[in-house]
Amino acid sequence: SQTIHQWPATLVQPVGSPLSLECTVEGTSNPNLYWYRQAAGRGLQLLFYSVGIGQISSEVPQNLSASRPQDRQFILSSKKLLLSDSGFYLCAWSVTEPYGYTFGSGTRLTVV
Amino acid sequence: GQSLEQPSEVTAVEGAIVQINCTYQTSGFYGLSWYQQHDGGAPTFLSYNALDGLEETGRFSSFLSRSDSYGYLLLQELQMKDSASYFCAVRDQIYTGRRALTFGSGTRLQVQP
Repeated sequence: SQTIHQWPATLVQPVGSPLSLECTVEGTSNPNLYWYRQAAGRGLQLLFYSVGIGQISSEVPQNLSASRPQDRQFILSSKKLLLSDSGFYLCAWSVTEPYGYTFGSGTRLTVV
Repeated sequence: GQSLEQPSEVTAVEGAIVQINCTYQTSGFYGLSWYQQHDGGAPTFLSYNALDGLEETGRFSSFLSRSDSYGYLLLQELQMKDSASYFCAVRDQIYTGRRALTFGSGTRLQVQP
């Protein structure tokens, strides 16, 4: 069966520090991978998605970046965090047609 | 672009039926999905409608009318555990190759005893 792992679960980082969030999927090949961010009590904002190794589409031109170094690994990064980067970060995967996402358990990031 | 509208909050009592509406505007439509999210948790997939009509999965049903750009999620025999946020989401226009969902802002359902 397919599983998705996302870590860490919670993170408190100072402003200006770097960020690296990792997401891995098991039990499937060539998944579509996504990074979403959710502010408290709000909807999900698409940040990045990837349909293959090294293929990244960016939705939000901010100080975040994403990489897909392996087929089932998706990494979200920042060189210098801002207060506005605080939120609940969710990784997700889907098969070819993205109507049935499976989300990871999420990372709650607080920038202080 | 895409936009989705759904009520921010709905309250119902245990055992009742509740309907959560979603209207959408897209320049190309492929399908409407529904997700459930409990406080502090990740969203989980509930249902998907690509064609007009009603899809039933246990106590949950989802309806779509493509001509009206409208859908709803119907929850029957409400239980306390159904208290959660519910999100509708649309697949973006396929001819751009964008394979991602745009989510509504969510409807918080409170089930009261």
